[in-house]
Amino acid sequence: DTGVSQDPRHKITKRGQNVTFRCDPISEHNRLYWYRQTLGQGPEFLTYFQNEAQLEKSRLLSDRFSAERPKGSFSTLEIQRTEQGDSAMYLCASSLVVASTNEKLFFGSGTQLSVL
Amino acid sequence: GENVEQHPSTLSVQEGDSAVIKCTYSDSASNYFPWYKQELGKGPQLIIDIRSNVGEKKDQRIAVTLNKTAKHFSLHITETQPEDSAVYFCAASRGSQGNLIFGKGTKLSVKP
Repeated sequence: DTGVSQDPRHKITKRGQNVTFRCDPISEHNRLYWYRQTLGQGPEFLTYFQNEAQLEKSRLLSDRFSAERPKGSFSTLEIQRTEQGDSAMYLCASSLVVASTNEKLFFGSGTQLSVL
Repeated sequence: GENVEQHPSTLSVQEGDSAVIKCTYSDSASNYFPWYKQELGKGPQLIIDIRSNVGEKKDQRIAVTLNKTAKHFSLHITETQPEDSAVYFCAASRGSQGNLIFGKGTKLSVKP
């Protein structure tokens, strides 16, 4: 257990519905990342926060996706009007960045989304 | 942008043998190279990492080597055990500048 907690572990939804996932990072970590992983592939970067500021978004993050980290602690990832292609494992990771040191990412167990 | 290639995609070894997984990267500015182990139904777990100012790093049965000139790095597992069976991912990044780019993974099977 890395200390990064994700909820729910599994989500089944119908196409067109909205879903929201939550991530609780390791408590002292200032960065939080969202990744998406499909079967047989490595995780793909979606977006990340430093404290409450969203610093980078991938081209993979369509306008149906939105992420927040309102108080610089937990984060939510919402997908609106889900499509079957959104089916994947959504992984959250957190890290502690101090000065110019390389950061180590610690991942949660993910939320497996199935869109029917 | 960065691209990370990983080989082989599957690897089967006998218990006690060594396993080697290789990765190449494209971005010469990448300076941080972690390796993750992912078991079924779990998130990736960091097992070892190396920075570009180091050529080799070892932690018990696991070692990583880095060749900056050739832009490739490798994971070496010695004395493999059945519990080493998992999918292993290499990754690269510009260190504190942001996100990891992952390879496609290697499924390692260690047969008792």
